Amino acid sequence: GEDVEQSLFLSVREGDSSVINCTYTDSSSTYLYWYKQEPGAGLQLLTYIFSNMDMKQDQRLTVLLNKKDKHLSLRIADTQTGDSAIYFCAEKETGGGNKLTFGTGTQLKVEL
Amino acid sequence: KAGVTQTPRYLIKTRGQQVTLSCSPISGHRSVSWYQQTPGQGLQFLFEYFSETQRNKGNFPGRFSGRQFSNSRSEMNVSTLELGDSALYLCASSLGGQQKNIQYFGAGTRLSVL
Repeated sequence: GEDVEQSLFLSVREGDSSVINCTYTDSSSTYLYWYKQEPGAGLQLLTYIFSNMDMKQDQRLTVLLNKKDKHLSLRIADTQTGDSAIYFCAEKETGGGNKLTFGTGTQLKVEL
Repeated sequence: KAGVTQTPRYLIKTRGQQVTLSCSPISGHRSVSWYQQTPGQGLQFLFEYFSETQRNKGNFPGRFSGRQFSNSRSEMNVSTLELGDSALYLCASSLGGQQKNIQYFGAGTRLSVL
């Protein structure tokens, strides 16, 4: 079955880079996503990557995918206090409609 | 373009009651998915509706049900509420026909069962 794991907590200083990691087990995943959740809010899509890609860059965000190790990471450059939130990775299987399997979430705290 | 709208934002119910939550997708989106978020279990998939048909279902008891209307708006219903049903219920909409199927989430309905 599907299982998506993330570390629970990450603390960085403002201006540093943050790297949030995710491992998944379903090799049939087609798309992998990163969502951000601020307190009291829903999920905001940050970026996504197709499973045949190794890397995707979008402004301050860089996604790296190691399909062999089933490892996904999100790097946030020049982290700001407004980046403090919970970050979820999610995978979508081949077929299966739109079902997303989410990781446990990583709480990012940005300190001054 | 308006985003995904969920109503109500907050609900308080007592055990044994039933509740109906509503989700209006982004205009033009035909797929609506529902998720339950709790501190203990995280984000779990409930079900997905596409063109008024349930396309996929998660591992939840039959007390959880949903439907989709011809205008793509969706409702989910929980009958015989239990304390453990207290959660944030999130709805997501997408076009539904594309492979990458980007899902956009609403702000959620926070349900408290007393």
